Amino acid sequence: GQQVMQIPQYQHVQEGEDFTTYCNSSTTLSNIQWYKQRPGGHPVFLIQLVKSGEVKKQKRLTFQFGEAKKNSSLHITATQTTDVGTYFCAGKNPGNNRKLIWGLGTSLAVNP
Amino acid sequence: DSGVTQTPKHLITATGQRVTLRCSPRSGDLSVYWYQQSLDQGLQFLIQYYNGEERAKGNILERFSAQQFPDLHSELNLSSLELGDSALYFCASSVNSVSDTQYFGPGTRLTVL
Repeated sequence: GQQVMQIPQYQHVQEGEDFTTYCNSSTTLSNIQWYKQRPGGHPVFLIQLVKSGEVKKQKRLTFQFGEAKKNSSLHITATQTTDVGTYFCAGKNPGNNRKLIWGLGTSLAVNP
Repeated sequence: DSGVTQTPKHLITATGQRVTLRCSPRSGDLSVYWYQQSLDQGLQFLIQYYNGEERAKGNILERFSAQQFPDLHSELNLSSLELGDSALYFCASSVNSVSDTQYFGPGTRLTVL
């Protein structure tokens, strides 16, 4: 079945370093969403990308959707301790069921 | 605060028992989703309801069932509990059945002893 793979599974960075997580789908997606879950918290919606090649920015976060709409990335510039958490991507199936397919997440730890 | 409420916050029970988890969606949202999150499995989609009817099914076990009531709140019933059912159970809601943004509740932590 359709899968969304997310890498890396874990990432440890020093505060101030950059961080990138990648999301790859086995099939073309209609859109992709990114969520952040802080430790002990619940997933919180960050952004949705719809168009091929789309790039969106939220302060230090940059989100990209691939030209083929099969991959996406989240890049954080100059990480801060507040960036700690697990980042999930979730791709929307363009087929009849239009289910959201979730990646397993990338857990980010930031050393102060 | 997402506007989605879940009760109880914590639940401790024994194997073989049955529990019910409750979720109230955000005001105006018609769709409710249930997810299971355990340490090694990430977020597993269980089931979706829209305006009282089942809309999509994920990896939900036969021992589990859910429903959405006329007032749009939803309940997830877990029966014949096993140790492996210990997890965080999240409810999320969205405006309609195909709306893209899901708003998650704080979750119910279930511990099966």
